[in-house]
Amino acid sequence: AQTVTQSQPEMSVQEAETVTLSCTYDTSESDYYLFWYKQPPSRQMILVIRQEAYKQQNATENRFSVNFQKAAKSFSLKISDSQLGDAAMYFCAYRRDNFGNEKLTFGTGTRLTIIP
Amino acid sequence: DAGITQSPRHKVTETGTPVTLRCHQTENHRYMYWYRQDPGHGLRLIHYSYGVKDTDKGEVSDGYSVSRSKTEDFLLTLESATSSQTSVYFCAISEYTYEQYFGPGTRLTVT
Repeated sequence: AQTVTQSQPEMSVQEAETVTLSCTYDTSESDYYLFWYKQPPSRQMILVIRQEAYKQQNATENRFSVNFQKAAKSFSLKISDSQLGDAAMYFCAYRRDNFGNEKLTFGTGTRLTIIP
Repeated sequence: DAGITQSPRHKVTETGTPVTLRCHQTENHRYMYWYRQDPGHGLRLIHYSYGVKDTDKGEVSDGYSVSRSKTEDFLLTLESATSSQTSVYFCAISEYTYEQYFGPGTRLTVT
């Protein structure tokens, strides 16, 4: 069974600084997808970024980028120029590459605090 | 934002009573999912649907049932609610792009 581990229950960063959230996963599959979701106090789950395992290039979305290390099964999220609105729970998630019908396996989350 | 609504948004109920949560989508996506979120566990899959009247169990399905009679609606039923089912419930949808999009969540408290 696939597992996703987020070893940092809480992180904090000064506004405008850079922070990296860690995620490791365990799988025997070679094709899969990885995601970072953000959950602000509103409770809404918001997709931040996605990475396909077959792509060597790390995904980026504006201030958000990932460091995907397939051999190490590591998928960290870097937030640059942190803003107050980035304060949230961040969840790493995995899904197998099975056309259409596959569940997401989530980590337990990292609570990010932005210090003004 | 994906058009997903959940109702009710909050509910308090007593142990032993039946409860039905509704997820409604306007995106015409084929796949729908129910997750529960508990502290220390992230989100865990309860049931999912891959089409009208096609459903299957997830990892924490005991005590829950689902139904999908229309593409746009996916119902989650707790036949006899227990305190261990106090949680936040999320519905999600997906099509062939592999991302799942989530509804706003329902906070259920069983007293």
